[in-house]
Amino acid sequence: NAGVTQTPKFQVLKTGQSMTLQCAQDMNHEYMSWYRQDPGMGLRLIHYSVGAGITDQGEVPNGYNVSRSTTEDFPLRLLSAAPSQTSVYFCASSSLGGGPNTGELFFGEGSRLTVL
Amino acid sequence: LAKTTQPISMDSYEGQEVNITCSHNNIATNDYITWYQQFPSQGPRFIIQGYKTKVTNEVASLFIPADRKSSTLSLPRVSLSDTAVYYCLVEGGFKTIFGAGTRLFVKA
Repeated sequence: NAGVTQTPKFQVLKTGQSMTLQCAQDMNHEYMSWYRQDPGMGLRLIHYSVGAGITDQGEVPNGYNVSRSTTEDFPLRLLSAAPSQTSVYFCASSSLGGGPNTGELFFGEGSRLTVL
Repeated sequence: LAKTTQPISMDSYEGQEVNITCSHNNIATNDYITWYQQFPSQGPRFIIQGYKTKVTNEVASLFIPADRKSSTLSLPRVSLSDTAVYYCLVEGGFKTIFGAGTRLFVKA
């Protein structure tokens, strides 16, 4: 069982370049989310989705776009990378179980992004 | 969204019981309390979740008083491999917000 898969694991970009971080889950989870983690800090929520076609902003959405065309995939797009976006990015998913809260979050292994 | 406050760091020795307390004074009626563990270079891992009183699983216990304004994660007989960052979350709705966490360092 693969769980939550993130690609790439490492990426170096130049300022102004664009890229997409991929996230896929095989647990049929309704909820998916993206976090960034800067050195020595906790995780900050970027965007989240409660199902295909539904996305919403988290704490730090500026500079990032998301879409959810399928249950399995939740890509994170950086349209014009900036050095401030250098971070480790984590994707997570959970089953909502029909309730109003997220259940246990399952995390990917992370994607380390450096913007020069 | 209820804000959580937890100690920045704690030290312990192998074999001891460790209790990490989290304060969440503004918790709402529908909020649940969840704890995650994170090792370096890995994503967080779910430990335990509760709403009130006491919850226990194979790795930890979670104590929540009647007013629910705080919670305590209890790790019995810690080992060196329990050295990690522990996050307390108050979850209501879909915006799952992590705080700064508590860095637990277990010494031999």
